[in-house]
Amino acid sequence: RKEVEQDPGPFNVPEGATVAFNCTYSNSASQSFFWYRQDCRKEPKLLMSVYSSGNEDGRFTAQLNRASQYISLLIRDSKLSDSATYLCVVNNQAGTALIFGKGTTLSVSS
Amino acid sequence: DAGVIQSPRHEVTEMGQEVTLRCKPISGHDYLFWYRQTMMRGLELLIYFNNNVPIDDSGMPEDRFSAKMPNASFSTLKIQPSEPRDSAVYFCASSWGYPGSRETQYFGPGTRLLVL
Repeated sequence: RKEVEQDPGPFNVPEGATVAFNCTYSNSASQSFFWYRQDCRKEPKLLMSVYSSGNEDGRFTAQLNRASQYISLLIRDSKLSDSATYLCVVNNQAGTALIFGKGTTLSVSS
Repeated sequence: DAGVIQSPRHEVTEMGQEVTLRCKPISGHDYLFWYRQTMMRGLELLIYFNNNVPIDDSGMPEDRFSAKMPNASFSTLKIQPSEPRDSAVYFCASSWGYPGSRETQYFGPGTRLLVL
């Protein structure tokens, strides 16, 4: 099993749609979880951290399910500007490195 | 702050040549990371430094790769000799916190390397 797995997509949705991405991780001892966003030919940027109780930042909601070892990202009322690749990130077993998923590509159209 | 600065932004070279990538982290950050991104393998950590000292280089592919951080504001990643399979985007990132912490890693714009 890969350390961090994501559905590569692409997810093609119209403006205003709600879309959700899931990510699974293999290390049950992981303690830090994040979603990063990467625009085409740009660098990754932190979108949000993921907390055990779940957290929300505007239209974005992140959830963590430790029992099933997956993380989710929900985007409500999608905007054209949300089009990007979303990277799921988890720390490794030793807590010494971040492991990045290969990303899920989202394309929002008008 | 200018953010993480990398140079060059693009590099095209021939197999066997030496390639040197440069990075200036955000001032005050005590961790610096070098990553490589390819379509096949995604984003992989190559090496990271804490207070200019290499901590974990287990991600460095082979001896052809080396990295240095002579001071808090400068780091280099060198490939000698380069091979076509080294073609990728190389990112430098910096942060205040250790890799497993909740501190944000700030990435530079990357260097797109093409080895012919």
